[in-house]
Amino acid sequence: QSALTQPPSASGSPGQSVTISCTGTSRDVGRYNYVSWHQQHPGKAPRLIISDVDKRPSGVPPRFSGSKSGNTAYLTISGLQAEDEADYYCSCYADTNYYIFGTGTTVTPL
Amino acid sequence: EVRLVQSGVQVKEPGESLKISCQGSGYSFHSYWIGWVRQMPGKGLEWMGIFYAGRSDIETAYSPSFHGQVTISGDKSINTVFLQWSSLKASDTAIYYCVREGLVFWGQGTMVTVSP
Repeated sequence: QSALTQPPSASGSPGQSVTISCTGTSRDVGRYNYVSWHQQHPGKAPRLIISDVDKRPSGVPPRFSGSKSGNTAYLTISGLQAEDEADYYCSCYADTNYYIFGTGTTVTPL
Repeated sequence: EVRLVQSGVQVKEPGESLKISCQGSGYSFHSYWIGWVRQMPGKGLEWMGIFYAGRSDIETAYSPSFHGQVTISGDKSINTVFLQWSSLKASDTAIYYCVREGLVFWGQGTMVTVSP
């Protein structure tokens, strides 16, 4: 199965909202509510910021939120901050024993 | 504290074999699977496969892209999962991460460089 499709980049002024899409198919994003989002700063390991479509793990700021509609999931950063500059990857359970990652989106505060 | 600690940087030549490790601590190792993820230089994350620490009917499962290319194994007595190559290629140059079921806890990554 192919990677989930994300826009290569997204940007916004500090304080603005930015939304990233993650498009899959009816066999993955459309079928399962096991969509996660991960933040990765340069040289660092990925960090989970959203699980199960819209659940925020302990310690993740409330400005990060997730949603899903059909075969597309979304990550919204409300009130963009300088430290949010990073790569963001969605992931989804696709089948027994198998996950798929998105192509990744670089978020840049203007 | 849950931790996944990976083995260190590796520099190898094409054709050599390699086995890297990921040791879990701070939780019941047998209660969660461990997955491996590849990140090639400047590229995105790719799911490789899973080691089931708590199952007896199936021990490993691979993403179609990596089936036959690598071997995932584990030693439950030392809470450790392994990723192994029998003959490295230059295209195996990447950072390899292990991640626990739930995708909350990640290892620090192992950088593997394969070059003549």
